[in-house]
Amino acid sequence: GAVVSQHPSWVICKSGTSVKIECRSLDFQATTMFWYRQFPKQSLMLMATSNEGSKATYEQGVEKDKFLINHASLTLSTLTVTSAHPEDSSFYICSVPGTPREPQHFGDGTRLSIL
Amino acid sequence: SQQGEEDPQALSIQEGENATMNCSYKTSINNLQWYRQNSGRGLVHLILIRSNEREKHSGRLRVTLDTSKKSSSLLITASRAADTASYFCATDTGNQFYFGTGTSLTVIP
Repeated sequence: GAVVSQHPSWVICKSGTSVKIECRSLDFQATTMFWYRQFPKQSLMLMATSNEGSKATYEQGVEKDKFLINHASLTLSTLTVTSAHPEDSSFYICSVPGTPREPQHFGDGTRLSIL
Repeated sequence: SQQGEEDPQALSIQEGENATMNCSYKTSINNLQWYRQNSGRGLVHLILIRSNEREKHSGRLRVTLDTSKKSSSLLITASRAADTASYFCATDTGNQFYFGTGTSLTVIP
């Protein structure tokens, strides 16, 4: 069964809307979660690392005021795209870290389409 | 960035043929993983190879790792139309996890 649950799977909304995406770790507690973005026909790019109980760590070039991350519990991280615009349309995927011997577990992704 | 480079970017083969994809990376790693992604879908983990391993098999998949050359290859044998997807390598340095640029594989029935 799924280890990571991501919701919603698809969102279509108007420009200027804020959209929240949830990522839940189902089988174990996660002090860290990762958020990726993938544009069509491109690879996944790490946006930020979500840290339970503290501020997220953002990759260079990612606007922290636009992509708000909250990791309030050991099983839930949320990504809010604030005042979304068409250029924010993308596929967003979260993951829970693995170990040196175990892979990361990924959610099924959220397709965000801004009209 | 640590992002790996994959080669080729796109590969088209006939069903039954073997498909080989290569991945090169830049810094030392704990492990390297290969993932598959069907169009518009999430990632499916295929195989993980640790830095002290040189080769690993899983069904029709064979992965090699050459840490001296900082490269890995994924071989899919006896390909099927259902293998059509994008394939990504991903490197885990312990602190960071980065995906390669991906190979788009098309298997023609």
